[in-house]
Amino acid sequence: ETGVTQSPTHLIKTRGQQVTLRCSSQSGHNTVSWYQQALGQGPQFIFQYYREEENGRGNFPPRFSGLQFPNYSSELNVNALELDDSALYLCASSWDRTSGNTIYFGEGSWLTVV
Amino acid sequence: DAKTTQPNSMESNEEEPVHLPCNHSTISGTDYIHWYRQLPSQGPEYVIHGLTSNVNNRMASLAIAEDRKSSTLILHRATLRDAAVYYCILSGAGNMLTFGGGTRLMVKP
Repeated sequence: ETGVTQSPTHLIKTRGQQVTLRCSSQSGHNTVSWYQQALGQGPQFIFQYYREEENGRGNFPPRFSGLQFPNYSSELNVNALELDDSALYLCASSWDRTSGNTIYFGEGSWLTVV
Repeated sequence: DAKTTQPNSMESNEEEPVHLPCNHSTISGTDYIHWYRQLPSQGPEYVIHGLTSNVNNRMASLAIAEDRKSSTLILHRATLRDAAVYYCILSGAGNMLTFGGGTRLMVKP
């Protein structure tokens, strides 16, 4: 039990639709990152939020966007869904963004795009 | 980002020690070495991490080479529950993780 909770756990969307995934970070953690994990692959870094500001971004198009709220919870939004967006989306939190801080992952949200 | 190289798979017998190797020859001085493991349909689970010195916790030990170009995760007595994909990852500034393919550990009873 990491204290990082994600919702929903599973969802199905149609190509072209938009989706919002939510994450509650571990208590006191001000840094939240999102990862995409396709079937059979390792997780790929999408972006990181630190104190409500985007702090770093991986190789993902602008239709992947996010928010972090004052309580440090976070949302991942994906617009214009494509079939290849089908994946496990993982949220991770840490005490702050300093290298070496332990990072804890949630159980993920399974997104299927049909 | 500095990359890591791990064997695709390893096999172990239950109750025996397991040594999972990782090469990271381009590691920079400020990169931490993290190990995570992942069971099917679950999020990655933190195992251990370190910078220069060897580290021990209740789950495992991390042995880091003196030149920091390689490290080894040691599970002291493998159990069936340790069967998972193990990821060796380097984190630099910003503490963002770049996952590779990992090592699939199979544990035989």
